[in-house]
Amino acid sequence: DVKVTQSSRYLVKRTGEKVFLECVQDMDHENMFWYRQDPGLGLRLIYFSYDVKMKEKGDIPEGYSVSREKKERFSLILESASTNQTSMYLCASTPPQGVITNEQFFGPGTRLTVL
Amino acid sequence: AQTVTQSQPEMSVQEAETVTLSCTYDTSENNYYLFWYKQPPSRQMILVIRQEAYKQQNATENRFSVNFQKAAKSFSLKISDSQLGDTAMYFCAFMKRQYGNKLVFGAGTILRVKS
Repeated sequence: DVKVTQSSRYLVKRTGEKVFLECVQDMDHENMFWYRQDPGLGLRLIYFSYDVKMKEKGDIPEGYSVSREKKERFSLILESASTNQTSMYLCASTPPQGVITNEQFFGPGTRLTVL
Repeated sequence: AQTVTQSQPEMSVQEAETVTLSCTYDTSENNYYLFWYKQPPSRQMILVIRQEAYKQQNATENRFSVNFQKAAKSFSLKISDSQLGDTAMYFCAFMKRQYGNKLVFGAGTILRVKS
């Protein structure tokens, strides 16, 4: 079974802190994604990566950056956390297009509160 | 840009009954995939069912089936013989056939199955 893990289920940080959210997948997937989930808005794509050291902005990249130094790990960085970044953050991974399944596999999520 | 609309923020159904969740989408693409994902309370998001746009036949997975109307850009999910374990947030999602496997999500529908 594909497993996507995230470093924390719950996180509380202060405004202005630098925050790291880590995601690891164990199925050698090429593509990895970071979403934030907010009530009434569904999931919105922050950044994605289709290979090591490669990244592309999603729909709401402002205030975030990412790092992918190894294939299995994709980190989301909040350079200076703000209260409007309080949200649920979900990581996902998927094989490249063309593989039979293009299902995205999700981690359990990190509920981040910025005070 | 693609958009996905779920017009029912919340729904409820009695155990063993049938319920239909609605989803419409907007795209100019001809080749794409549509998905329904399920997010149970405090648990990971999982894929329920997938439909490829070039297939006319509606997808079915056990008690879950879709009504895919390509011309109307409609993709509803029918759950038959509802079970308590079906209680969850359901997201409709769109993916166009391109490198990256990016998903565009609707806002979600909370489904409560009552005993």
